[in-house]
Amino acid sequence: EADIYQTPRYLVIGTGKKITLECSQTMGHDKMYWYQQDPGMELHLIHYSYGVNSTEKGDLSSESTVSRIRTEHFPLTLESARPSHTSQYLCASSELRTGANIQYFGAGTRLSVL
Amino acid sequence: AQKITQTQPGMFVQEKEAVTLDCTYDTSDPSYGLFWYKQPSSGEMIFLIYQGSYDQQNATEGRYSLNFQKARKSANLVISASQLGDSAMYFCAMRARTAGNQFYFGTGTSLTVIP
Repeated sequence: EADIYQTPRYLVIGTGKKITLECSQTMGHDKMYWYQQDPGMELHLIHYSYGVNSTEKGDLSSESTVSRIRTEHFPLTLESARPSHTSQYLCASSELRTGANIQYFGAGTRLSVL
Repeated sequence: AQKITQTQPGMFVQEKEAVTLDCTYDTSDPSYGLFWYKQPSSGEMIFLIYQGSYDQQNATEGRYSLNFQKARKSANLVISASQLGDSAMYFCAMRARTAGNQFYFGTGTSLTVIP
């Protein structure tokens, strides 16, 4: 059972607002990830981190930013939300277990920007 | 380049029957991992099963098994004795070492179990 938590689960917000999506894991995993997923579509990697003070951009360009000051915490921030940011955001973390590097996911945040 | 292909947008299966969800992949990396995840309507991604490229035997986890055919580059998920709670989206994913161990996901298959 994975222990990775995302808050809020749902967020409706107006254009131009600054928002932070929270992600925390209690498994001590070094690697953490943020994915964006439109309804019924595949996941796209937008940010990842290999550990404290490490952040990288993923394949999908995103106007969001991330930080990794503590191992367990990997928040994602949008400085000025726009309707095009409406999507589901999934956070994941991974361990190296018998070489599998399985990613475990949080429950996701469904963001609607009006 | 790494690529995952799921060609079945939607599948139906009768309760208690078995169903196979197709997945093909493309990579030139000799070391890779293949994964299946389940996504119910609530949105979370649930890890189901993993197969390593060097594993000789097909992976099994309870009612889930992965039919790994390396030469054909396919990694189909077999769900036996389907239950109503199996209705969900199913995503195939691949991790390749030369791609920095990033995950690549397919477009998913929507499975509906009919009572």
